[in-house]
Amino acid sequence: KAGVTQTPRYLIKTRGQQVTLSCSPISGHRSVSWYQQTPGQGLQFLFEYFSETQRNKGNFPGRFSGRQFSNSRSEMNVSTLELGDSALYLCASSPDRETNEKLFFGSGTQLSVL
Amino acid sequence: SQQGEEDPQALSIQEGENATMNCSYKTSINNLQWYRQNSGRGLVHLILIRSNEREKHSGRLRVTLDTSKKSSSLLITASRAADTASYFCATADSWGKLQFGAGTQVVVTP
Repeated sequence: KAGVTQTPRYLIKTRGQQVTLSCSPISGHRSVSWYQQTPGQGLQFLFEYFSETQRNKGNFPGRFSGRQFSNSRSEMNVSTLELGDSALYLCASSPDRETNEKLFFGSGTQLSVL
Repeated sequence: SQQGEEDPQALSIQEGENATMNCSYKTSINNLQWYRQNSGRGLVHLILIRSNEREKHSGRLRVTLDTSKKSSSLLITASRAADTASYFCATADSWGKLQFGAGTQVVVTP
């Protein structure tokens, strides 16, 4: 089975722009979660989707949004980028909605905002 | 905000030694998981311990959980250079939402 695939691997944007990141979960996994990782704040939970519905949401401003498609692929969008949005964005999939007993992570998208 | 806090923040040991790191959390949990992350890559699941379990083993890993103290520890025995990585604990609530701690950076020197 292919692992979790995130594209692109690296991204450079300037302040004020918007960006869309993509995540393809492991085949058969219906839950997709997104995390932001920075040296100062560690891993921060953004949101989780299951069967195209947002189930959980972290404490991020409305500039951060996401969606999930019928094939379980997910995208997250960040509008009006700020310097502080520079981070590694990690996507994780799980086969089990109820307990998320094991997350499978992608390699992440490294976003740099200049 | 983060649910778990790891201690120590960094650990440097020699090959063959044991590495122990701790995780404390604030609210009730369904389970606690440990993950490893190699530099700039995704996290890899290591082991899960449920709230009604006290100890669990997997290969060279041993995890303990004390729900009365809201803490867990991860022990890596006979460490190898390949164990050099950051280790994170993650707590899952009854809804399955996972929150990660800040991590412990472990460096194993040959």
